[in-house]
Amino acid sequence: SAVISQKPSRDICQRGTSLTIQCQVDSQVTMMFWYRQQPGQSLTLIATANQGSEATYESGFVIDKFPISRPNLTFSTLTVSNMSPEDSSIYLCSVMVSYNEQFFGPGTRLTVL
Amino acid sequence: GQQVMQIPQYQHVQEGEDFTTYCNSSTTLSNIQWYKQRPGGHPVFLIQLVKSGEVKKQKRLTFQFGEAKKNSSLHITATQTTDVGTYFCAQGSIYSGGSNYKLTFGKGTLLTVNP
Repeated sequence: SAVISQKPSRDICQRGTSLTIQCQVDSQVTMMFWYRQQPGQSLTLIATANQGSEATYESGFVIDKFPISRPNLTFSTLTVSNMSPEDSSIYLCSVMVSYNEQFFGPGTRLTVL
Repeated sequence: GQQVMQIPQYQHVQEGEDFTTYCNSSTTLSNIQWYKQRPGGHPVFLIQLVKSGEVKKQKRLTFQFGEAKKNSSLHITATQTTDVGTYFCAQGSIYSGGSNYKLTFGKGTLLTVNP
């Protein structure tokens, strides 16, 4: 298993600003992911955070808007850049310990005014 | 990634009634995972199914994977208020020659239970 913490847990931001979300895992993991979940909706994968190389982004998500860092096997950050109200959502990081299950962090609830 | 369709979108039951959510795909699934997300919480892994016709049980929860590996179901017997939440199915897939992995979620079924 893995225990994941995220900071901040929630934030209210002004449009045009950027927010960096941190994800810390209590053990070293190879695969770490960032998801977005809009209220009452399913989870959408933003990108896979790769240690030592650039993140792999899903269709509809670009590095300029969602830059990701993965400096080591226990930590990653996701930045939501130049925010607009459409970016209001819950952002979750997750890790995969084996090809059996993913563990999710508690999420960051972002509101953009 | 492969699309998985999940029905129903919502289900309201009286405590003690049974509940079932279904996950369907037009193509063969290599595996299916089920997650539960309590209101205000994050998704929590329940189980993974990989074999054709597989059936697994966890107390009052029964998970099935279809013979053709194109559908799956989660059945809860005698629901309790603690079962409230959204149940998601998800398909895991490996791509880019095995260097990348992706979990594609269904839209989920929100279960509410009237005590």
